[in-house]
Amino acid sequence: GDSVTQMEGPVTLSEEAFLTINCTYTATGYPSLFWYVQYPGEGLQLLLKATKADDKGSNKGFEATYRKETTSFHLEKGSVQVSDSAVYFCALSGGTGRRALTFGSGTRLQVQP
Amino acid sequence: DAGVIQSPRHEVTEMGQEVTLRCKPISGHNSLFWYRQTMMRGLELLIYFNNNVPIDDSGMPEDRFSAKMPNASFSTLKIQPSEPRDSAVYFCASKLQGGDEKLFFGSGTQLSVL
Repeated sequence: GDSVTQMEGPVTLSEEAFLTINCTYTATGYPSLFWYVQYPGEGLQLLLKATKADDKGSNKGFEATYRKETTSFHLEKGSVQVSDSAVYFCALSGGTGRRALTFGSGTRLQVQP
Repeated sequence: DAGVIQSPRHEVTEMGQEVTLRCKPISGHNSLFWYRQTMMRGLELLIYFNNNVPIDDSGMPEDRFSAKMPNASFSTLKIQPSEPRDSAVYFCASKLQGGDEKLFFGSGTQLSVL
């Protein structure tokens, strides 16, 4: 079945540092890929998405490129802020025709001032 | 719109008791999902509905768990009897079926079974 693997956290960075959170997936067919973010005490929110190979999703300074050849969708940001501290989830849908999202285990990001 | 509304926000109960979690999806959304989040297992899909009909309940842990969606604006997730290993945060989410895959999540119900 479909699966998503994320790097384990927590990831601790200083403000203005460069961020990479790795995500790889296993799926048949042509899934759509997503990053969701969860702030403390809240539900998940969509951060960005990409629906086909080589697409780049971007939002709030975050970017991720759908790499079919490496089955990856790594999240990057050039300069993180304290307000980016949250848990980030990589997810996919539609790989096997399943309509529901399959999530990775989440990566906690802590940004220190 | 107020977003996806879940209640209660926190629930503490004793082992063996019945627990009912409630969800009101965003008006107009016709797909509804129940997820469970734990430190050990991350975010797991329990069940989802399209147009009030259960489509995939393969994630429901066992017969102690049941979910209903009697109408487009309300869903429940029931655990009977509850066990300590059911302690988790339970999220409800909704979206438009077949359209943009953006899921809107509620704030979750923190369940503690003692």
